[in-house]
Amino acid sequence: EPEVTQTPSHQVTQMGQEVILRCVPISNHLYFYWYRQILGQKVEFLVSFYNNEISEKSEIFDDQFSVERPDGSNFTLKIRSTKLEDSAMYFCASSEAGGEAFFGQGTRLTVV
Amino acid sequence: EDQVTQSPEALRLQEGESSSLNCSYTVSGLRGLFWYRQDPGKGPEFLFTLYSAGEEKEKERLKATLTKKESFLHITAPKPEDSATYLCAVQAGGSSNTGKLIFGQGTTLQVKP
Repeated sequence: EPEVTQTPSHQVTQMGQEVILRCVPISNHLYFYWYRQILGQKVEFLVSFYNNEISEKSEIFDDQFSVERPDGSNFTLKIRSTKLEDSAMYFCASSEAGGEAFFGQGTRLTVV
Repeated sequence: EDQVTQSPEALRLQEGESSSLNCSYTVSGLRGLFWYRQDPGKGPEFLFTLYSAGEEKEKERLKATLTKKESFLHITAPKPEDSATYLCAVQAGGSSNTGKLIFGQGTTLQVKP
C-alpha cells in the first residue's frame, strides 16, 4: 500500500542551526503539506503546496521556514535558524485531489 | 474563525462497552470533515471523510455520522486494539481548495480488557 515516507525519524539540533526535513509523498498525489504537533497539543497546519508553489501558509510559517520540491519525488521543509520552540513532531502529508490527506510517521525535531 | 472542538478529552471503556466521541465544528462552509486515528508517536491514520449532513460511513467497529454542527464517531463493542487518539479535522469551503485541515485536540480512548 502506498505511503508517505519521512526522514529522519528523529533529529536533534542546536539552537540557531538549519535543519531540513525530508518527505516522499505518495507518487500520484498532487497536493503536499507540512503540519506540526507540539507535545500534548493539536496538529497544526503549516503550509500547503500545489503545482510547484505554496498555495496557503499559516502564521507559524514565517521567513524562517521554506519548502521545496527539488525533484519529482521529494518534498522538503527547511527551518533556517531553529529556536527552542520549534521542537515538535513534524508531519508531511499528501493528497490526490485536495481531499483526504495521508500522513507520514513524522520527524521528531528536538532543538537544544 | 474556523474551529473544531472534540469531547470528551479522554475516555476509558471496558472491552465491549460501546460509546460515542463528539466533534463540534464552526466553519465558513464545510468542504469536508475527516476522522483520523493517531497512535502514540505516529502520524494520523485516515479513517473517514464525510461531506454532507446525514452522511454515514462505517469501518469495522467504527461508524461516523455528520450533522450541520457536529460529527460523531460511534465505537461498537470496542477491543483493546482500538485504544488510540481519535482526531477530527475539517476543511473549510471557499473559492480555492488548498486542502488545509483544521484539527481538534483529539479524544484519547483507552479500552481495557
